[in-house]
Amino acid sequence: EVHLLESGGGLVQPGGSLRLSCAASGFIFTNYAMSWVRQAPGKGLEWVSDISASGDTTYYADSVKGRFTISREDSKNTLYLQMNSLGAEDTAVYYCAKREPFWSGHAFYYGLDVWGQGTTVTVSS
Amino acid sequence: DIQMTQSPSSLSASVGDRVTITCRASQTIYSYLNWYQQKPGKAPKLLIYAASSLQSGVPSRFSGSGSGAFFTLTISSLQPEDFATYYCQQSYSTPLTFGPGTKVDVK
Repeated sequence: EVHLLESGGGLVQPGGSLRLSCAASGFIFTNYAMSWVRQAPGKGLEWVSDISASGDTTYYADSVKGRFTISREDSKNTLYLQMNSLGAEDTAVYYCAKREPFWSGHAFYYGLDVWGQGTTVTVSS
Repeated sequence: DIQMTQSPSSLSASVGDRVTITCRASQTIYSYLNWYQQKPGKAPKLLIYAASSLQSGVPSRFSGSGSGAFFTLTISSLQPEDFATYYCQQSYSTPLTFGPGTKVDVK
């Protein structure tokens, strides 16, 4: 069974750091790009960051660029999100998700087809 | 960045109703449009990819249509388990962006 399990969330003071982990199982981790998506309390979904299957290409939302770093450790089938200089606006449930490339016959269309259960990050003094 | 809007923001419906949710992109995204369902306290679930392709395991009462900048999600006959919030998301360009969501609740 394909499964993603996040960990590492918690309460952190403003300006602090936290590293989230996402353990993958049930699929060939090295074949897939991965994403982090967050959801602030009572709000909608916000894409945070992507990393390519090879790990050599990363993308970030403007709201986290320069503060967050996405990485992957293929030997451990694990995705990470290093979060620095955290502020109240980063309080959210953080989900990792697998980016599936769906072939339509003439192009690849990417969807987030497997999600973890989420880990909660609370930034507060 | 591509902005996504959805309408309505919420709707009340009964079991058996036909429900349609619309999603609009701020520019053409061709068919790079996904739909997700999210229930309270749960992770989102992919329903539709490439605007109209049904994800494996998703009931056929869900369908998607549209291309360019205007899209719809239709539930042909609402079931009790379909009361949830629905999000569209463009995968045409980074940053990926989601619509604000449409909450479907019980009339």
